[in-house]
Amino acid sequence: NAGVMQNPRHLVRRRGQEARLRCSPMKGHSHVYWYRQLPEEGLKFMVYLQKENIIDESGMPKERFSAEFPKEGPSILRIQQVVRGDSAAYFCASSSRTGLYTGNTIYFGEGSWLTVV
Amino acid sequence: RKEVEQDPGPFNVPEGATVAFNCTYSNSASQSFFWYRQDCRKEPKLLMSVYSSGNEDGRFTAQLNRASQYISLLIRDSKLSDSATYLCVVIPNTGNQFYFGTGTSLTVIP
Repeated sequence: NAGVMQNPRHLVRRRGQEARLRCSPMKGHSHVYWYRQLPEEGLKFMVYLQKENIIDESGMPKERFSAEFPKEGPSILRIQQVVRGDSAAYFCASSSRTGLYTGNTIYFGEGSWLTVV
Repeated sequence: RKEVEQDPGPFNVPEGATVAFNCTYSNSASQSFFWYRQDCRKEPKLLMSVYSSGNEDGRFTAQLNRASQYISLLIRDSKLSDSATYLCVVIPNTGNQFYFGTGTSLTVIP
């Protein structure tokens, strides 16, 4: 499967625990985006990363959330001290180039569904 | 003001009907435009790009109106399998983000 791979697909955490979501982009893609989708709501941009660099994190909550995309390995979205309001689907997407290239678009993984109890 | 706005619907149409969705965007310098489809509890999937001159893919036609800052999606001869949420996507001239609308829900009724 050469698509965007996310794991875990489903994750249950108690309030106060940490959640780590992983994303491996499509082969040949070096741009990764994380989106959050709350129940019955639209996709909200969180962060855009290239290898080892955070390019745009304007959608990330100021506290408890962090993201990285190391030189080797998958991109990680980390949520510390989770609260019930963090329950959502977290989608990762990747692209081969920035959106500045006409027609370039992003492809999504199947999502990680976080439930905080 | 939101970057991208869509009528959430829902649109309930009979099989065979023609249905159209619009999506407005706020940044006049926006670069690229797309329509995605999202099924319940699934990831969004690219439906089609939207080109300045308009483009068609089978029963689907996408249009861009830069003067009025909106894009549209027309679905002809609706099928039951078209039932989904349709998301418009706009890329600003910085290229850093893909802004998604909240989606328009379509249900095609037998």
